[in-house]
Amino acid sequence: NAGVTQTPKFQVLKTGQSMTLQCAQDMNHEYMSWYRQDPGMGLRLIHYSVGAGITDQGEVPNGYNVSRSTTEDFPLRLLSAAPSQTSVYFCASSPLTRQMRYGYTFGSGTRLTVV
Amino acid sequence: DAKTTQPNSMESNEEEPVHLPCNHSTISGTDYIHWYRQLPSQGPEYVIHGLTSNVNNRMASLAIAEDRKSSTLILHRATLRDAAVYYCILRATSGSRLTFGEGTQLTVNP
Repeated sequence: NAGVTQTPKFQVLKTGQSMTLQCAQDMNHEYMSWYRQDPGMGLRLIHYSVGAGITDQGEVPNGYNVSRSTTEDFPLRLLSAAPSQTSVYFCASSPLTRQMRYGYTFGSGTRLTVV
Repeated sequence: DAKTTQPNSMESNEEEPVHLPCNHSTISGTDYIHWYRQLPSQGPEYVIHGLTSNVNNRMASLAIAEDRKSSTLILHRATLRDAAVYYCILRATSGSRLTFGEGTQLTVNP
């Protein structure tokens, strides 16, 4: 089925470790983004991309890196994990052209715990 | 980004209509009104969006006030599967981001 695929679904890291959260979409969407959701709160934008080779920061970018080498993939890297990065991470994509007329498609999330 | 205001929570009975309100008094003329919902332990799901006219789709209806300063998401017959957090979001024409508030937690009673 077409959609946004996130891996892994669950991850436990030790403080200081690094890891990459994977996000892939097969809908040829130009726009991709990463959000985090802390317990009882709405989603906050981390980074986003409007196409291959183009990325920009969102509301809470510190401690995260992204790159966009292909249209399909938008990985999120945690450089040195901290307990404050314990959260659920969602990837989303959307067509870019006249995008305000389209909804976002979200992945099912990665639940990350940093101990 | 213009802000939206929603009630923290609402309750409904199964098979009854639900009207979820959203205020967006600072909306600009070209902002689209989007609604998403998030079921427990899942990612947000697109529900509906509109600009000026009322909109209907298989999931819900969106009623937009004439001055566009408020809107209402209408679920015509609530089911237990509609229990979720519903987010009302304004989407700028030139922006690429969705800014989520805290949404409305809808509880559906059997």
